[in-house]
Amino acid sequence: AQKVTQAQTEISVVEKEDVTLDCVYETRDTTYYLFWYKQPPSGELVFLIRRNSFDEQNEISGRYSWNFQKSTSSFNFTITASQVVDSAVYFCGVIQGAQKLVFGQGTRLTINP
Amino acid sequence: GAGVSQSPSNKVTEKGKDVELRCDPISGHTALYWYRQSLGQGLEFLIYFQGNSAPDKSGLPSDRFSAERTGGSVSTLTIQRTQQEDSAVYLCASSLGPEKFGEQFFGPGTRLTVL
Repeated sequence: AQKVTQAQTEISVVEKEDVTLDCVYETRDTTYYLFWYKQPPSGELVFLIRRNSFDEQNEISGRYSWNFQKSTSSFNFTITASQVVDSAVYFCGVIQGAQKLVFGQGTRLTINP
Repeated sequence: GAGVSQSPSNKVTEKGKDVELRCDPISGHTALYWYRQSLGQGLEFLIYFQGNSAPDKSGLPSDRFSAERTGGSVSTLTIQRTQQEDSAVYLCASSLGPEKFGEQFFGPGTRLTVL
């Protein structure tokens, strides 16, 4: 079975700082998919990224970037020049059976003005 | 351009009563999912529908929980004889189908409180 650990329960930074959210996963599958979702205060989960295990290239989307390291089973998420609107709970996880999302416990990120 | 909608948004019920939660997925989305979010357990998968069939019911916590989907669209999650530990936010999500797996669109959830 897959397992996902987000060791940082809460992070608080000042606006414009860079912040990295850690994610460590466990899986016995040789092929697997990882994801990140954001849950803003409004409550609705928003998809951010899906990454397959074949592709270890870092991904960048605007101020967001993801670092996938198969050797350490980590899929970390960095926000550069954070903004107050980035405040949310962020979930990473593993896709099991091509459909089922197995979530970590989430990291609550607070960006202070 | 409607997203996933769920009703009711809040439901308070007494222990032992049955409840029905409804989910309207995005039009054209063939896959539908139910999750539960609670403080103690985090986000847990409950059940997945592809069309009207449910290939994966592995997350349903007990036989008090059931779900159905009709017409490849609306889904209902039923909890019979509710218990206090059923209190949680029940989230529904939909996706275009297997080709877009992992990218799910979530509704606002139904907050269930069992007294």
